[in-house]
Amino acid sequence: GAVVSQHPSWVICKSGTSVKIECRSLDFQATTMFWYRQFPKQSLMLMATSNEGSKATYEQGVEKDKFLINHASLTLSTLTVTSAHPEDSSFYICSARDAAKNIQYFGAGTRLSVL
Amino acid sequence: LAKTTQPISMDSYEGQEVNITCSHNNIATNDYITWYQQFPSQGPRFIIQGYKTKVTNEVASLFIPADRKSSTLSLPRVSLSDTAVYYCLVGDILNFNKFYFGSGTKLNVKP
Repeated sequence: GAVVSQHPSWVICKSGTSVKIECRSLDFQATTMFWYRQFPKQSLMLMATSNEGSKATYEQGVEKDKFLINHASLTLSTLTVTSAHPEDSSFYICSARDAAKNIQYFGAGTRLSVL
Repeated sequence: LAKTTQPISMDSYEGQEVNITCSHNNIATNDYITWYQQFPSQGPRFIIQGYKTKVTNEVASLFIPADRKSSTLSLPRVSLSDTAVYYCLVGDILNFNKFYFGSGTKLNVKP
């Protein structure tokens, strides 16, 4: 299947700092990418839809000023967790839609730990 | 809000065929059915996708009855490495559809 690369795979940061997570589609162009969050033993929760060249669409209850999303090219979307706090610690997963196949492919995820 | 209902967990033994059924009573005309597999601390992996009848690929089969209100993922001869959570999702994949994940089915394959 198509590959979606997510970086970093894990990150530890101090409370109050910002962390950027990258999501790249390696062998297809993705006008639409998605960001999810997953807590231990729970399912994935959709946070936002990232659209190339336009503003992201956030799900209800997700703070757009805290979770900044940028989709500046057809192969890259970034999620920045601003002023991170311990409650932001979670597993963040991105996905990219391959429009040619109509399949959403997922990255390997990023484990964020905020101390 | 997830549109699907699946059993929380299932047990199987190595070498058996496993069938996981998903209920989606309110599936819309434009919705497709997609199944993913997820291992701990990894992103979901695409398994199979279909609209109606039967779809088969190298790893699984997907059976969808005529009314499309349910679907069954069939895994032939499972192994221990198939122990994972399996998610059934429905959505309009042709129109930038968003996926809302349900709880999934935890498949435990025993030796």
